[in-house]
Amino acid sequence: KAGVTQTPRYLIKTRGQQVTLSCSPISGHRSVSWYQQTPGQGLQFLFEYFSETQRNKGNFPGRFSGRQFSNSRSEMNVSTLELGDSALYLCASSLAAIYGYTFGSGTRLTVV
Amino acid sequence: GDSVTQMEGPVTLSEEAFLTINCTYTATGYPSLFWYVQYPGEGLQLLLKATKADDKGSNKGFEATYRKETTSFHLEKGSVQVSDSAVYFCAYYFGNEKLTFGTGTRLTIIP
Repeated sequence: KAGVTQTPRYLIKTRGQQVTLSCSPISGHRSVSWYQQTPGQGLQFLFEYFSETQRNKGNFPGRFSGRQFSNSRSEMNVSTLELGDSALYLCASSLAAIYGYTFGSGTRLTVV
Repeated sequence: GDSVTQMEGPVTLSEEAFLTINCTYTATGYPSLFWYVQYPGEGLQLLLKATKADDKGSNKGFEATYRKETTSFHLEKGSVQVSDSAVYFCAYYFGNEKLTFGTGTRLTIIP
């Protein structure tokens, strides 16, 4: 079956712009989580959605937001981009966390 | 607070060597424990998991046993291959559906 699909794979944006990243989970998975990965900070949790409701949120500024649609697809948005937002953004879906998450290949965002 | 600590890297081994990557957790309850692997340019893949004490997860020759008495979940493989070169992450989940990761250990296998 199809895995977790993230689009686009690569993005280059300018400081001050905003960006929207998309994630299509595995069919039947209603939980979608987002992580930011950087060499300095490692994997940091952004937020988690379940059935269109945000269930958990990490310690990121309000510029980072997300949503989940009724088909479980999710988007995350970053407004007023800063250089420090350059990272690999990973989306993961699961039936339930106890079974483990399936990750997408990520979107590499570069802010210049 | 709850956390997971894993062995600092990088780790470099010769092919066919024995591998251990240490992972310990701090939690008030009994979390589910995971090892994930990340190959260059890719996302994370679930390698193995254990959901209760004394469970042993295994996959692709890798094993890890959930040790409640030492709060550990060390990753082991008896004979590593060049293709095992990757970054390995220990992770735990408890209660609130947020998966928490260790810092990752970069493993390089030399032929």
